[in-house]
Amino acid sequence: ETGVTQSPTHLIKTRGQQVTLRCSSQSGHNTVSWYQQALGQGPQFIFQYYREEENGRGNFPPRFSGLQFPNYSSELNVNALELDDSALYLCASSLTGRNYGYTFGSGTRLTVV
Amino acid sequence: GNSVTQMEGPVTLSEEAFLTINCTYTATGYPSLFWYVQYPGEGLQLLLKATKADDKGSNKGFEATYRKETTSFHLEKGSVQVSDSAVYFCALSWGKLQFGAGTQVVVTP
Repeated sequence: ETGVTQSPTHLIKTRGQQVTLRCSSQSGHNTVSWYQQALGQGPQFIFQYYREEENGRGNFPPRFSGLQFPNYSSELNVNALELDDSALYLCASSLTGRNYGYTFGSGTRLTVV
Repeated sequence: GNSVTQMEGPVTLSEEAFLTINCTYTATGYPSLFWYVQYPGEGLQLLLKATKADDKGSNKGFEATYRKETTSFHLEKGSVQVSDSAVYFCALSWGKLQFGAGTQVVVTP
């Protein structure tokens, strides 16, 4: 079975720009979540999608938005980038339900300058 | 709200030493509990999990027991190797994953 793949692996953007990060879920998984991990910290939940609908959101502003596609792949979009958005963005997929572990991708390292 | 607290690192050990990383949680209801490991430059890998009280998760010599009475899920390994050097995250799941801040473990030869 394939794991979770994310693209790109690294990205440098300028403050104020917009960025789109992509994620392909593990085969058979119907739930995808996005996390932001600042340097030296634990991942923070951004939002989660199930069957193309957002079904949970963390404490992030509306300029963080997402999509899930019928094939369960996903995008994270961030508008009006700020310096504090510099972080590792992790995508994770799972089957629905709190008992299932999440499979994480290797992440996209975003640097905002 | 839900939260996870784990011991601060770095934890520095010699090879073959015993490792314990403390993790306690606050949650309404009975979440599932997880330990994830992150190697340098990589994403997170699921190490083990427990879904109900008194469950013991185990993998690759690591163990953790879901203790409802103490709201804890401490990670242990009897004999660490240099390859166990990584950052370890305790997490709970109640619809989403809530992580602790992580504990860096450094194992020296």
